[in-house]
Amino acid sequence: KAGVTQTPRYLIKTRGQQVTLSCSPISGHRSVSWYQQTPGQGLQFLFEYFSETQRNKGNFPGRFSGRQFSNSRSEMNVSTLELGDSALYLCASSLTSGETQYFGPGTRLLVL
Amino acid sequence: GENVEQHPSTLSVQEGDSAVIKCTYSDSASNYFPWYKQELGKRPQLIIDIRSNVGEKKDQRIAVTLNKTAKHFSLHITETQPEDSAVYFCAASRASGGSYIPTFGRGTSLIVHP
Repeated sequence: KAGVTQTPRYLIKTRGQQVTLSCSPISGHRSVSWYQQTPGQGLQFLFEYFSETQRNKGNFPGRFSGRQFSNSRSEMNVSTLELGDSALYLCASSLTSGETQYFGPGTRLLVL
Repeated sequence: GENVEQHPSTLSVQEGDSAVIKCTYSDSASNYFPWYKQELGKRPQLIIDIRSNVGEKKDQRIAVTLNKTAKHFSLHITETQPEDSAVYFCAASRASGGSYIPTFGRGTSLIVHP
């Protein structure tokens, strides 16, 4: 089976812009979670989607949003980018429950 | 909310030695504890996990122990090899809405010297 894929892999934006990141889960996986990884804060949970519905959300401002499509592919959007949003954004998929997650390679976002 | 402390932040061992990484958590509702390995420039990979109804789990050279009373869990790697060098993350997850909300430790950089 193909693994989790994320696009784009690298992105440079300026403050105030918005960005959309994409994640394609492993075929058959219906749960997609998003994480932010930074040297300062480590790995932090953003949100999780299942069957096109957000099931759980971490402690991030409303500028961070996401959605999931009927084929389980997911997108996350960050509006009004800030310098502190520079990070590696990882998505992970699992069959249904959020256990045994498989991570994608990540999208490295740099905000200038 | 949940708080996970992970120690040590860096661990240097000789090939063949054992390595132990410890995590403590604060939320007694956490009931799923995965461990991830992240090699430099690569994605995190689940290496072992344990649920709160189990005290210990082993998979070849890797084992995890859980003490629910003390709220701590540990990763044990025996007979370490240079390819074990990576950053290891623990997580404490609580069930919510049919899934889990994970809180991660800050990571341990394991260096195995040949």
